[in-house]
Amino acid sequence: GAGVSQSPRYKVTKRGQDVALRCDPISGHVSLYWYRQALGQGPEFLTYFNYEAQQDKSGLPNDRFSAERPEGSISTLTIQRTEQRDSAMYRCASSLGTTSYEQYFGPGTRLTVT
Amino acid sequence: LAKTTQPISMDSYEGQEVNITCSHNNIATNDYITWYQQFPSQGPRFIIQGYKTKVTNEVASLFIPADRKSSTLSLPRVSLSDTAVYYCLVKGAGSYQLTFGKGTKLSVIP
Repeated sequence: GAGVSQSPRYKVTKRGQDVALRCDPISGHVSLYWYRQALGQGPEFLTYFNYEAQQDKSGLPNDRFSAERPEGSISTLTIQRTEQRDSAMYRCASSLGTTSYEQYFGPGTRLTVT
Repeated sequence: LAKTTQPISMDSYEGQEVNITCSHNNIATNDYITWYQQFPSQGPRFIIQGYKTKVTNEVASLFIPADRKSSTLSLPRVSLSDTAVYYCLVKGAGSYQLTFGKGTKLSVIP
């Protein structure tokens, strides 16, 4: 079956612009997670949704970052007024249950802020 | 969250068994040990998880001693396609969050 998909795969934007990154989780997966991965590092947790409820946003770096999952399926991570330090790989993952050990990761969106 | 320590990198020849050890000295009673694999340009992929003793699946084995302060991921007879970064994570039974470190970069040499 289809895995987690993310779009766009690559995004180049100018400093100060807003970007929206989309995640389409595996159908039926209750939990959705956003991570950010810098080169040579493991993914770093950003935020977590249980159905449509954002239950943890402790990893969002600042208030320029926001995320939503209005219908409990597709999620959007929005970064406002992008800065060069926002450049990274943004990964989405989903899992069947809240405490599942197995999270399924998408291919990621490579964001470059120039 | 329990901190994990694992080697930064390892090299192995094709066909050999590879053992990657991870230490997690302050693991809590309800924590499980989980390993993920990440190929270049892909997201991490779940390999195996366990609580104590030995767990085996079609990909790997996981050995956890009685004190649970360390664990060893064993990959039998590696091939070039096993070249990847392997992450050891400790996850609470009631927790949803995965905390990744830098992982171990395994390079398999022909």
